[in-house]
Order: sequence, then C-alpha cells, then structure tokens
Amino acid sequence: QSALTQPASVSGSPGQSITISCTGTSSDIGGYNYVSWYQQHPGKAPKLIIYDVSNRPSGVSSRFSGSKSGNTASLTISGLQAEDEADYHCSSYTSSSTLNWVFGGGTKLTVL
Amino acid sequence: EVQLVQSGAEVKKPGESLKISCEGSEYTFTTYWIAWVRQMPGKGLEWMGIIYPGDSDTRYSPSFKGQVTISADKSISTAYLQWSSLKASDTAIYYCLRRGKSSGGYPVNWFDPWGQGTLVTVSS
Repeated sequence: QSALTQPASVSGSPGQSITISCTGTSSDIGGYNYVSWYQQHPGKAPKLIIYDVSNRPSGVSSRFSGSKSGNTASLTISGLQAEDEADYHCSSYTSSSTLNWVFGGGTKLTVL
Repeated sequence: EVQLVQSGAEVKKPGESLKISCEGSEYTFTTYWIAWVRQMPGKGLEWMGIIYPGDSDTRYSPSFKGQVTISADKSISTAYLQWSSLKASDTAIYYCLRRGKSSGGYPVNWFDPWGQGTLVTVSS
C-alpha cells in the first residue's frame, strides 16, 4: 500500500479538464510544499511535469497545473488531448521515513 | 543534454547476483544525488534509496535496506544497484533518477531526469 492515495483511474473527453487528487498526511503533503508530479506513458520512463506543488519545468505545457489544500494535492489537466493519456504519479517529501520521499499509487488517465 | 543511461535488460535465476548501472552525462556527476526507484509489473513507483556520488553518502528506504546495495564510481560517472541473491519478487523495472538543485545549488525535492529503466526478470 502506497503512502499517498491516488484514484486508480480517471477519464475525460478531448478538450475537457480533469483533476487527479493525491492525499497524504500532515507528515508529508500537509507539512511541506514539496509535491511533485510525474507523467509516464506506456513503456516509457516517468517525466517530471510539476514540482514544489505548482511549478512547471521548462517545456511542460501550461495545460498542466498543480495545487494543494491541506493534506491533498491536485494535478489539473485542461484542454485534454489524446497525448495526455498516461499514468500520473504524485510524490511528496516526508518526515516520517529515513528516505524522505513517498509516492502515490499512480493514476491511469484515459482520454475517451 | 543531461542524461542518465541505464544498462540493458537482464534475465536471471533465483539466487543469482546482479549489478545494474546508470551513467550520467553532460553534468557534474559528483554534485547531484542519484536515487533508485522500483516499478513492479503493473504497479506504482517505490523509492529504494539514494546516493551522493561525491562522498558516497547513501540512504535506503526501510523496505529495501539489507536487500540491495547502492554504490557509485565517480571516476566513470556511474551509479549502481546490486543484489547478492535475487528472488522472483525482484522482477521489476528499475529507474535511476537525478535529484534536482535550486538556483542556489541546494538539493531540492524533485527528480529530473530519469534513466530509461532497466527491466530485471528473475525466473527459474
């Protein structure tokens, strides 16, 4: 069982917006602004798309945005495109482990 | 372009040893942490451990401590993940990833880039 909780799957139609949640505790998401999100296409390595809750690396589309409220972080993808179909993994810094990061279980996004 | 290039897929039998590698290029290898992450078939990501190649400072997730060994050879900009006795349950894809740095040079809590992954299959 992963330390952070994500929905197993979400879906949306092209052009719509979707939000993926990532719920933790006050020892991780709630206590620090160090949430990151990674996109993983089938058979590929994960790629960083959001860091420190809401920052986008250079080259990542502005359709991807991140936020946090309390112990829950969220990734929103607006204007869904077929190429957004992938797995999305959240990660957070945590104070409750000797290795200071935890992942969520991952969410499969299907573009209908 | 900063890259992490991992060694190729491996097929091993239970009880065998294995060492996989991750070579960094186009950056100063000794000044960035390198982490290892496991992805079992059809599952999510799991943090395994992290090493600072500059001084070989290494930390492990409690789930993996004693099960694997992480090391680095800074002379060839390469990090390693090794097992002394593989089990079928070690079958997975293993990724190496570089911990980022702030503009001030401090380590941050996000990881980029990732290596392409190494598939390890353990089967009798």
